[in-house]
Formats: sequence, C-alpha cells, structure tokens
Amino acid sequence: DTAVSQTPKYLVTQMGNDKSIKCEQNLGHDTMYWYKQDSKKFLKIMFSYNNKELIINETVPNRFSPKSPDKAHLNLHINSLELGDSAVYFCASSQDPGMSEKTQYFGPGTRLLVL
Amino acid sequence: GDSVTQMEGPVTLSEEAFLTINCTYTATGYPSLFWYVQYPGEGLQLLLKATKADDKGSNKGFEATYRKETTSFHLEKGSVQVSDSAVYFCALMVDSSYKLIFGSGTRLLVRP
Repeated sequence: DTAVSQTPKYLVTQMGNDKSIKCEQNLGHDTMYWYKQDSKKFLKIMFSYNNKELIINETVPNRFSPKSPDKAHLNLHINSLELGDSAVYFCASSQDPGMSEKTQYFGPGTRLLVL
Repeated sequence: GDSVTQMEGPVTLSEEAFLTINCTYTATGYPSLFWYVQYPGEGLQLLLKATKADDKGSNKGFEATYRKETTSFHLEKGSVQVSDSAVYFCALMVDSSYKLIFGSGTRLLVRP
C-alpha cells in the first residue's frame, strides 16, 4: 500500500489553464503539506494543513489554492498557470509536529510542465 | 531565519570509497535534523534523523551525528555503492513548527 499518493504523476498543460493535483495519505496523520521543487532541485514549503485547517501559507501567489476535504486528503488547485509554475510538486504528511515523531513522509511527486 | 547549508555537488566517487556530505544549520530554536534521499525520477525518502544533540542517526550504512557545538549534521558512509547515486537533502524542523527547511541538495554519483 502506498502511504502518500499523488495524481497525476505528470501534467503538461498550456499557460493560462487551471489544473488540480490530488494527494491522499493512508497513514492516519493529522498534518499534510505541499512543497515545490524547482529546476535546480531546491525544495520549499508552500502550504501546511493540520486537521483540515491551514497552518502555513508561505507567500504563495493567490493562484494556488489548497483544499483539504478531510484529514486524509490535501488537493492543490492552480489557476491561470504560468511558465514559472513548472516544477515538481510534492505532497507530504506527518503526525502533529507537536508530537515527538516529526518525520514527514513524501509522495512520489507531480511533474508539472507549463508550455 | 532558520536555514541549512550543504556542500555543493556533484560529488563523484568510485565504488567502495568513503563518503562525507557536509551539512550545517542555523536555527532559532532547538531543531530536529533529517537526511532525505531522492533517487532519479522518484520522490523523497527519509534516510535518517536525529532529534537531540549527540544523537546518531543511521540507516543503510549511512550515519550522521547531531553536533550542537558545531551546528552540523554531516552524512557519512564507509563504502558507497553505485546504487547510492542520488540527490541527498539535509533538512531541519524547529520544535513544533509545521515545515521542513531544506538545504539545496547534493548530487552523488558513484562510478563502478
């Protein structure tokens, strides 16, 4: 069983389109994250949700809107895609960071290419 | 602010060579430290971690010791294999925060 899964794995689209990436975890975790990895492999957090509540929004443009329908899912919707949005997007999950176990478990990534 | 600095790659080694990838950090609180590995075309996997000073994390022959006095968490392996070729990320999480702060990653290439 895959612990953290993402769909789609690859996404190629035109500038200006709207797209969504889905993430699901079956680890029973309370906290989920979205990270962006740019072309130089640099990873940076975008959002964090704890028990369906937004905890972190790291100055991400308003075109990016996360949605957490329940604790096991955190989806990422992107409006009006731009060339600079091309990247690999990783979903992750963990127990509440206030717990002693802080490890984040990552999904396989979604490779987004905006043409 | 909190940050992680890793040695720049790529690091190219022959099989069975000794590996060190340096990692130092700056943190306002008392962080937990992690090494993640990303194999080509894949996501990130936790390699090892340490949550307090002098702890040693180890996995698959890799080791790293949390050194508070030098704010370091260097990754070592005594004998690398071709299958260890990947990008290695050092990361920190400050107590009860909700984000991992990553270094820039170090690409390791092991030649037969």
